[in-house]
Amino acid sequence: DAGVIQSPRHEVTEMGQEVTLRCKPISGHDYLFWYRQTMMRGLELLIYFNNNVPIDDSGMPEDRFSAKMPNASFSTLKIQPSEPRDSAVYFCASSLEGRAGTRLNQPQHFGDGTRLSIL
Amino acid sequence: DQQVKQNSPSLSVQEGRISILNCDYTNSMFDYFLWYKKYPAEGPTFLISISSIKDKNEDGRFTVFLNKSAKHLSLHIVPSQPGDSAVYFCAASAWYGGSQGNLIFGKGTKLSVKP
Repeated sequence: DAGVIQSPRHEVTEMGQEVTLRCKPISGHDYLFWYRQTMMRGLELLIYFNNNVPIDDSGMPEDRFSAKMPNASFSTLKIQPSEPRDSAVYFCASSLEGRAGTRLNQPQHFGDGTRLSIL
Repeated sequence: DQQVKQNSPSLSVQEGRISILNCDYTNSMFDYFLWYKKYPAEGPTFLISISSIKDKNEDGRFTVFLNKSAKHLSLHIVPSQPGDSAVYFCAASAWYGGSQGNLIFGKGTKLSVKP
């Protein structure tokens, strides 16, 4: 089975440029998550979608960040304009629905990340 | 304010011995806990989980123990192997409003298993 697929694996660009990160979740998964990992703050949730609908974007740092999920098999995270402090590894993850009746939780499955460097 | 804490940034263990990775949490609403393993240049990989209705879950060489009263969980790896060398993340979540909440991650512990 294909896991979560992220592209590009590495991105180096100059500040002020638009950056678009892409994610293909595992087929059939109901949830999609975008995380950012930095040395200082560790893994932080930016936003997550349930059935393509954004549910919680409280982790998105600023209006320069936006995320979309136009269909069940694709999501983008966009930074415009980019700044050096946005340099980090960005991970996408997906999971099945946790079943509320049984409180059966589902683990998240991560992609290999995009290492973003803003010069 | 960290809700999930891994106080040891690193741990070194001899091959064949037990590795014990620790995690503390502050939010009493957390009821689902996971451990992830991460190799360099890869994403975190789900390892093992435990629900708050249990105090132990075992999967091969990996066992997770949960002490709810102490708000503490640990991951035991027995016997440790060099291939276990990685960063281990503890994560927790709670149910809010009938749906599974976000995962909150610790900052990780880097395990080195020496041959």
